[in-house]
Amino acid sequence: AAGVIQSPRHLIKEKRETATLKCYPIPRHDTVYWYQQGPGQDPQFLISFYEKMQSDKGSIPDRFSAQQFSDYHSELNMSSLELGDSALYFCASIPLAGSSYNEQFFGPGTRLTVL
Amino acid sequence: AQSVTQPDIHITVSEGASLELRCNYSYGATPYLFWYVQSPGQGLQLLLKYFSGDTLVQGIKGFEAEFKRSQSSFNLRKPSVHWSDAAEYFCAVGQGSNDYKLSFGAGTTVTVRA
Repeated sequence: AAGVIQSPRHLIKEKRETATLKCYPIPRHDTVYWYQQGPGQDPQFLISFYEKMQSDKGSIPDRFSAQQFSDYHSELNMSSLELGDSALYFCASIPLAGSSYNEQFFGPGTRLTVL
Repeated sequence: AQSVTQPDIHITVSEGASLELRCNYSYGATPYLFWYVQSPGQGLQLLLKYFSGDTLVQGIKGFEAEFKRSQSSFNLRKPSVHWSDAAEYFCAVGQGSNDYKLSFGAGTTVTVRA
């Protein structure tokens, strides 16, 4: 069965650079959630999209922006990178939001290292 | 807002022994509860979930969890651990109602000794 795809899997950037992380949800899943997991930390919710519109926002820095495209894939854009942005970034997809509570299917994550 | 507490940061267990990981949640209404497992450098794999109904839920890899409303707990158990169960385990709570974001506990690292 198709799973959530994230690219790249690993990314190394310098401070003050920009990074773009991509998430391809499972086919027919219209909802995407982004989480950030710092070293030794639990995942923290960043932002979510439903039907290409932002549906919720967590503790996401202003330097970060995200969007969901017509094919439902989502991109997380990170600018002016800081050392503290080094983390594992997960996205999760959910089928047909608006129905009964559904399980989130997590991608493998993108490990971002800021030097 | 919902929150999750995992009191045990690290647990060491012998192979073949039983395992119990504690999880306490805080949420006013009926919570949606999950246990995920994460191997080093890997993503989150769902072990089991509780939405409603039978309070004892069975998951993958021989894990089970019991929802106890009176204790606000959702503890994870396995009768006999295998060396491959060494990983980090996260309890998570969601509130449903078209809000699917999860709040995770701090995680419990399980080490399995031979």
